[in-house]
Amino acid sequence: GQSLEQPSEVTAVEGAIVQINCTYQTSGFYGLSWYQQHDGGAPTFLSYNALDGLEETGRFSSFLSRSDSYGYLLLQELQMKDSASYFCAVRPPDSGSARQLTFGSGTQLTVLP
Amino acid sequence: EAQVTQNPRYLITVTGKKLTVTCSQNMNHEYMSWYRQDPGLGLRQIYYSMNVEVTDKGDVPEGYKVSRKEKRNFPLILESPSPNQTSLYFCASNTEGSSYNEQFFGPGTRLTVL
Repeated sequence: GQSLEQPSEVTAVEGAIVQINCTYQTSGFYGLSWYQQHDGGAPTFLSYNALDGLEETGRFSSFLSRSDSYGYLLLQELQMKDSASYFCAVRPPDSGSARQLTFGSGTQLTVLP
Repeated sequence: EAQVTQNPRYLITVTGKKLTVTCSQNMNHEYMSWYRQDPGLGLRQIYYSMNVEVTDKGDVPEGYKVSRKEKRNFPLILESPSPNQTSLYFCASNTEGSSYNEQFFGPGTRLTVL
């Protein structure tokens, strides 16, 4: 099975940079995804790493290192609207073509003024 | 507008009273899934479907049923709801054609079983 671990809470101030880590225990997977969820709302896709390295999308970047079983989401120039829960997710290798995802338990990011 | 819709958005019911939560997507996606979200547990998959008439269990299927008679619809059925099924439910869809494996989520259904 898959096991993804994330910190439960992270707090930072507006304008700062914050890193949300995701460590996993799995025999293999097809890439690491990140989703954002505002309080009670629908999760929305942020980024995807199919290969090791850094992917950058505006203020958000995501990193994957398969050799270290580790990934992170980096949020720069934090804004109040970035206060949300962030989930990492992997697609298990035995899911065939179903494209199913296993999610971490999520990290609640609070941005302070 | 491309979207996933769910109904109802909020539901309070009693133990044992059968209910159905509908889910519909207008993006012609092959894959659809149901998740439940509970505090501290993240999103856990209940059932998924790879296409019409093709469904399979996720991680927490007990107490739930699904059907996929049309490509756009994927209802979640609770034949005899129990209080431990009180949760926030999300339907999601995605397509084989997405290189990012992006899932599109509905707005959620908050279910309370008394």
